Amino acid sequence: QKEVEQNSGPLSVPEGAIASLNCTYSDRGSQSFFWYRQYSGKSPELIMSIYSNGDKEDGRFTAQLNKASQYVSLLIRDSQPSDSATYLCAVNMKGDPGTASKLTFGTGTRLQVTL
Amino acid sequence: KAGVTQTPRYLIKTRGQQVTLSCSPISGHRSVSWYQQTPGQGLQFLFEYFSETQRNKGNFPGRFSGRQFSNSRSEMNVSTLELGDSALYLCASSLTTSRRDYGYTFGSGTRLTVV
Repeated sequence: QKEVEQNSGPLSVPEGAIASLNCTYSDRGSQSFFWYRQYSGKSPELIMSIYSNGDKEDGRFTAQLNKASQYVSLLIRDSQPSDSATYLCAVNMKGDPGTASKLTFGTGTRLQVTL
Repeated sequence: KAGVTQTPRYLIKTRGQQVTLSCSPISGHRSVSWYQQTPGQGLQFLFEYFSETQRNKGNFPGRFSGRQFSNSRSEMNVSTLELGDSALYLCASSLTTSRRDYGYTFGSGTRLTVV
């Protein structure tokens, strides 16, 4: 089982619709969760972080966390063509005994927003 | 405020050679992590340094090594290069290594091609 799993997509949504991106993780003790956006040929950029169960909203973005189900999601409202990118879920997970925690990434979901 | 600076941006090396990549974190950031990104595997954690100490290491062979200097700048070295080492190498810095505050800022990456 992968530590952080995402559907690779592509997820295609029409302009103006809500895009829903999902992520599951294996470490039940994980405390910090992040969403990064990566445009083709560019490096990842942080768009959302969430630490507590429930929803966290920032503009058109809403992150949702359910620790009991080990599930994180990202909703993008009023999707725009400029939102077309790969979205990476990242989870701060325990390291091996004697080592620090590490930020583990999923392989990403490619989002395509169509006109 | 300057971002994370990685040099060089592009490298072409021959199998068997070694390579050194450099990363200068955001001023004041003391944590530097390195990731390898390939189309098939996504972002794979290499190692993390904080205050010149390696805090964690990913599942990469010993050919991959790194270090951090007192000014927080970091280098990674790959010896005896193999074709499979061709990838985008990303450096990320963060202010702390707290399990809560773990948002990274990524550099633009070094694209390594091994021929």
